[in-house]
Amino acid sequence: QVQLQESGPGLVKPSGTLSLTCAVSGGSISSSNWWTWVRQPPGKGLEWIGEIYHSGSANYNPSLMSRVTISVDKSKNQFSLKVTSVTAADTAVYYCASRGEYYCTGGECHLQYYFDYWGQGTLVTVSS
Amino acid sequence: QSALTQPASVSGSPGQSITISCTGTNSDVGGHNYVSWYQHHPGKAPKLMIYDVSNRPSGVSNRFSGSKSGNTASLTISGLQAEDEADYYCSSYTGSSTWVFGGGTKLTVL
Repeated sequence: QVQLQESGPGLVKPSGTLSLTCAVSGGSISSSNWWTWVRQPPGKGLEWIGEIYHSGSANYNPSLMSRVTISVDKSKNQFSLKVTSVTAADTAVYYCASRGEYYCTGGECHLQYYFDYWGQGTLVTVSS
Repeated sequence: QSALTQPASVSGSPGQSITISCTGTNSDVGGHNYVSWYQHHPGKAPKLMIYDVSNRPSGVSNRFSGSKSGNTASLTISGLQAEDEADYYCSSYTGSSTWVFGGGTKLTVL
């Protein structure tokens, strides 16, 4: 059973860089999973930020792509998120999650398009 | 990509059934059978309840069911229980390796 735990500063200054890490336990970061970041601004819904595979291949939300970088650290079994030039609009609870590359049921395997493991989230506030 | 549209809140009494809608476009909900639903109790990790429109993961009660018609997906919870009170979010694959979530629905069990 994969477990995910976010960590990082809870307060970031405007125009600064938000940096978070997600520690993976109960499984290897090099397994067939896409490692994902999702955020939830106060009082709003969830927003998919992006994902990365252990190979380094990454996909990003087009609306955030210019400011977001997701990376993998195989030696520490963790992955990270960086958001540059932050504003108050980046204040949110940030979740890490995972999406398997595929799932198998009834003797057949299918590509997986859902997030099956989640961290509990960490609040990041952007304020001076 | 715009967020999927969900009602802000729904409510029901124990034992009743409720349905939460999730409306998107031809590019997301209507274009792919990859809608998933998540239950979220504040302060806890979101939990997968339905995947690929209507499939339930192992361990999820059969009181939860999903469906889709056109650009609108739905989550139905039958036999409402107090423990079902939570926020519910839908998500859809949008193509080009990106995803979109709904704005969330707060379920109150009266």
